[in-house]
Amino acid sequence: KQEVTQIPAALSVPEGENLVLNCSFTDSAIYNLQWFRQDPGKGLTSLLLIQSSQREQTSGRLNASLDKSSGRSTLYIAASQPGDSATYLCAVGTGTALIFGKGTTLSVSS
Amino acid sequence: GAGVSQTPSNKVTEKGKYVELRCDPISGHTALYWYRQSLGQGPEFLIYFQGTGAADDSGLPNDRFFAVRPEGSVSTLKIQRTERGDSAVYLCASSPDGFGANVLTFGAGSRLTVL
Repeated sequence: KQEVTQIPAALSVPEGENLVLNCSFTDSAIYNLQWFRQDPGKGLTSLLLIQSSQREQTSGRLNASLDKSSGRSTLYIAASQPGDSATYLCAVGTGTALIFGKGTTLSVSS
Repeated sequence: GAGVSQTPSNKVTEKGKYVELRCDPISGHTALYWYRQSLGQGPEFLIYFQGTGAADDSGLPNDRFFAVRPEGSVSTLKIQRTERGDSAVYLCASSPDGFGANVLTFGAGSRLTVL
């Protein structure tokens, strides 16, 4: 059974810092991996999608990497801003469903 | 529609009652997913529809939960004899097709509170 773990559970940083969020998964047979953002009381917004054949994807200040063989992904956020404060969720695609981690709650202070 | 629409946004009910939650996916999306998110947890997969049929219902916790999508568009999640443990946010998502390559678009969710 696929299990997804995210570390740390919570993170507080001052504005301007670069930071890394970690995601690990137990079964390397995945179709893709996605990173989502969730604001309090809101739905999920997809940030980046990495196909199983890819190593990384970039969008603006965000860069996500994927190492299938070791079962790991990282989300790198450059020059963090208070507006980046949210919960970040990692999810692996099994072919019929996404399996989510519990998320990392990020707080960026000005 | 432009996005995934879920109704009601909030539902408060009493233990033992029957509840229906509705999801209206993006027009033309053949794949539809239901997830449940409890406080402090990630979304938990419930069921996936491809068209009108449930392609994977392995996440439904027990036979009190049932979902339909009779015309391949709108879906209804039905919960019988609700229990306090059913309290959660129920999220719906859709994608152009069910193959793992596509990005899912999520609705804002229906918050269910069972008293």
